[in-house]
Amino acid sequence: DAKTTQPNSMESNEEEPVHLPCNHSTISGTDYIHWYRQLPSQGPEYVIHGLTSNVNNRMASLAIAEDRKSSTLILHRATLRDAAVYYCILRAYNNAGNMLTFGGGTRLMVKP
Amino acid sequence: GAGVSQTPSNKVTEKGKYVELRCDPISGHTALYWYRQSLGQGPEFLIYFQGTGAADDSGLPNDRFFAVRPEGSVSTLKIQRTERGDSAVYLCASSLDPLEGSYNEQFFGPGTRLTVL
Repeated sequence: DAKTTQPNSMESNEEEPVHLPCNHSTISGTDYIHWYRQLPSQGPEYVIHGLTSNVNNRMASLAIAEDRKSSTLILHRATLRDAAVYYCILRAYNNAGNMLTFGGGTRLMVKP
Repeated sequence: GAGVSQTPSNKVTEKGKYVELRCDPISGHTALYWYRQSLGQGPEFLIYFQGTGAADDSGLPNDRFFAVRPEGSVSTLKIQRTERGDSAVYLCASSLDPLEGSYNEQFFGPGTRLTVL
């Protein structure tokens, strides 16, 4: 699977929007972009995924660049509970059964 | 419904001992994954089961590590002759059948923290 690059950490104020960037310049045409997050002392949890079009769900929005070489996870109003490590992961469509390859992720800190 | 559960939550053992870590996946999930997470790093894949068989064990670091899933539900990760470097959080995840062609998210358990003294 292609590699992703994320900032090590980011800070946000509570109730403000957060934009978490991810670069994936070597993405291939069959790679889906996935985001998982890991709250302290818990296992990772799924956030959102997409292929080409922007995606919205109850947790977040995913904005995908037109060339697909980067994407941004958007939390519309950060809460203290959103403090976690956010992982951007590429996963080939034909590898639907295979593992997730985690990088270092972005540690999001939310200030009250 | 119940999520993925893992037991024990914490395990402390001595170097050279044998340990077993258990994972109870979500009912009806045919796919089961084991990952290992060292402090400050992202989870690292170990092994993937589809039903009872190991479909991909390429992440197991050496032959001291072994996992089984005899009835296609509960899985046990077994580590022989433990070493201090095996200390980590061992995470289990399950998902619906990923071979059906649609994306199936992985649901993770809380992990077992293994400490080898």
